[in-house]
Amino acid sequence: QSVLTQPPSASGTPGQRVTISCSGSSSNIGSEPVNWYQQLPGTAPKLLIYSNNLRPSGVPDRFSGSKSGTSASLAISGLQSEDEADYYCSTWDGSLSAVVFGGGTKLTVL
Amino acid sequence: EVQLLESGGGLVQPGGSLRLSCAASGFIFSSYAMSWVRQAPGKGLEWVSGIRGSGDSTYYADSVKGRFTISRDNSKNTLYLQMHSLRAEDTAIYYCAKDRASSSCYDYWGQGTLVTVSS
Repeated sequence: QSVLTQPPSASGTPGQRVTISCSGSSSNIGSEPVNWYQQLPGTAPKLLIYSNNLRPSGVPDRFSGSKSGTSASLAISGLQSEDEADYYCSTWDGSLSAVVFGGGTKLTVL
Repeated sequence: EVQLLESGGGLVQPGGSLRLSCAASGFIFSSYAMSWVRQAPGKGLEWVSGIRGSGDSTYYADSVKGRFTISRDNSKNTLYLQMHSLRAEDTAIYYCAKDRASSSCYDYWGQGTLVTVSS
């Protein structure tokens, strides 16, 4: 079991808005910034959101992140077929002295 | 352009050893922490180990502590992962990743190298 909990799957139709949740604890999300990664099939992960809600250059503003307490969320608006991928949340865990990842959410665009 | 190129993966027997390398270019290597992250077949991402830019501090996941050693040669812009006492559960694609700003946030990833532990 992963330290951070994500739903294993999510889905939506083109143009819809979907959200993916990430639940943790006071030793990780509750006290550290959250990052999100997108992994397209057969490729390396790509940084999508960092420090809870910041987008690296080149990431469309359709992607947004938020954090509240010990939970974080990734929102994707105007869903597109190319958004079909696995999404992972991640942060530092002070109790474990380790970087922790969520188990990943497979997003399907119907 | 930032590039990270892993090498050294392959097939190894249980109990064996392997050393992975990650050649970095396109940024001031010594200024950035680096990590290894692995992904078992069909599974999620698992952080393995991290090292500060100067190399003076290292961090390990409990699953590899005492068996794996991370190191770097800043004169060669290269990151290493020495793996001993390999187990079947270490089978995975191993990615090297550049830390964005010592924040455990990885802004660049290599393409990965596959390690298979099997008899």
